[in-house]
Amino acid sequence: DARVTQTPRHKVTEMGQEVTMRCQPILGHNTVFWYRQTMMQGLELLAYFRNRAPLDDSGMPKDRFSAEMPDATLATLKIQPSEPRDSAVYFCASGLDPTGNTDTQYFGPGTRLTVL
Amino acid sequence: QKEVEQNSGPLSVPEGAIASLNCTYSDRGSQSFFWYRQYSGKSPELIMSIYSNGDKEDGRFTAQLNKASQYVSLLIRDSQPSDSATYLCAVNALPGSARQLTFGSGTQLTVLP
Repeated sequence: DARVTQTPRHKVTEMGQEVTMRCQPILGHNTVFWYRQTMMQGLELLAYFRNRAPLDDSGMPKDRFSAEMPDATLATLKIQPSEPRDSAVYFCASGLDPTGNTDTQYFGPGTRLTVL
Repeated sequence: QKEVEQNSGPLSVPEGAIASLNCTYSDRGSQSFFWYRQYSGKSPELIMSIYSNGDKEDGRFTAQLNKASQYVSLLIRDSQPSDSATYLCAVNALPGSARQLTFGSGTQLTVLP
């Protein structure tokens, strides 16, 4: 049963600390997305990778957020320094994009981040 | 104007009734449309995709697409309490050179036993 996995599932940290979230996309998928979900803003796209290359990170606050794909099986999202307003659920999703058309995305279970 | 709009609800229907969820989108170039279901505290789960005008049925779910009117809907027949969730409409948008999904804010559905 192929699934997107994310770690950690829950993270509580203090303001100013670095937070790293990890995602393992479904094997064979070549697109990875990072989303943030809050009650107020809903589901917001933060970053989008295809074949490990970042294609769009316009939704991400550049001064504190960074996203990378060190290899095809790992995507990371870092926040440094973290702030209380970063408290949200962060989802990773992956998909297969052989033609250049982003299509179905499969979501991981999410990381619930609380910044005190 | 938001790119993808949904009524936030809550929408309540009695068990066994038809639940109708609607979504409108602003980008006429959109080509792929999806409905995701999200239970409280869980991740979004794909339940339907539709690419052509008309209806697409899958079990108790029917997705309807009208590109001329720029709307997509989801009908749930014989609604069950287990259908109670937030339903997210997602549209394949084309900002710049990247093709990606834009999500609506979701409609909260409650099916009353």
